[in-house]
Amino acid sequence: AQRVTQPEKLLSVFKGAPVELKCNYSYSGSPELFWYVQYSRQRLQLLLRHISRESIKGFTADLNKGETSFHLKKPFAQEEDSAMYYCALSGGDNYGQNFVFGPGTRLSVLP
Amino acid sequence: ETGVTQSPTHLIKTRGQQVTLRCSSQSGHNTVSWYQQALGQGPQFIFQYYREEENGRGNFPPRFSGLQFPNYSSELNVNALELDDSALYLCASSSPTGMNTEAFFGQGTRLTVV
Repeated sequence: AQRVTQPEKLLSVFKGAPVELKCNYSYSGSPELFWYVQYSRQRLQLLLRHISRESIKGFTADLNKGETSFHLKKPFAQEEDSAMYYCALSGGDNYGQNFVFGPGTRLSVLP
Repeated sequence: ETGVTQSPTHLIKTRGQQVTLRCSSQSGHNTVSWYQQALGQGPQFIFQYYREEENGRGNFPPRFSGLQFPNYSSELNVNALELDDSALYLCASSSPTGMNTEAFFGQGTRLTVV
């Protein structure tokens, strides 16, 4: 069964500190992994996807198939990074639209 | 180019009633997916429509049904509402050209069943 876990419901860090949001998944095939973010009073939006190997707003995420993880990292957190972060998996079925989301981690960056 | 819009934004219904939620997809997008997000949880996939046909469904009972129209807008219908149906319902649209197509989400409809 497809499943995404995010062990931390809330993560608080100070501005300038490194941050790592953990994500683990279970999937029998070759999944596509994403991070979605929801800032206060805004809609859910894509932050980054593993296939693009990109860095967005200083965030990176590496897919580790051996550990079935896709942790999100940023070396120096900013206050504007405070938001709800969701890790999501797509099995590639049906044009990759069927996302399985984790429960989310609320990141709070303190001044 | 307009984004994904959902209506209404809030809705209160009584247990046993039926509800219809609406979604206008982003211009040029032919695929719409619906998600249910209960409080404190991540969104859960309900179903997806591609060119007016359902082509994917999550673990939801048949009383959750949908439609997609020729202009690619979509409706989510829920019959015989239960208290546990209270949630934020999200619509997402995309125009897939292959894997990893980005889905654009609406702001959601908050449904409360009393």
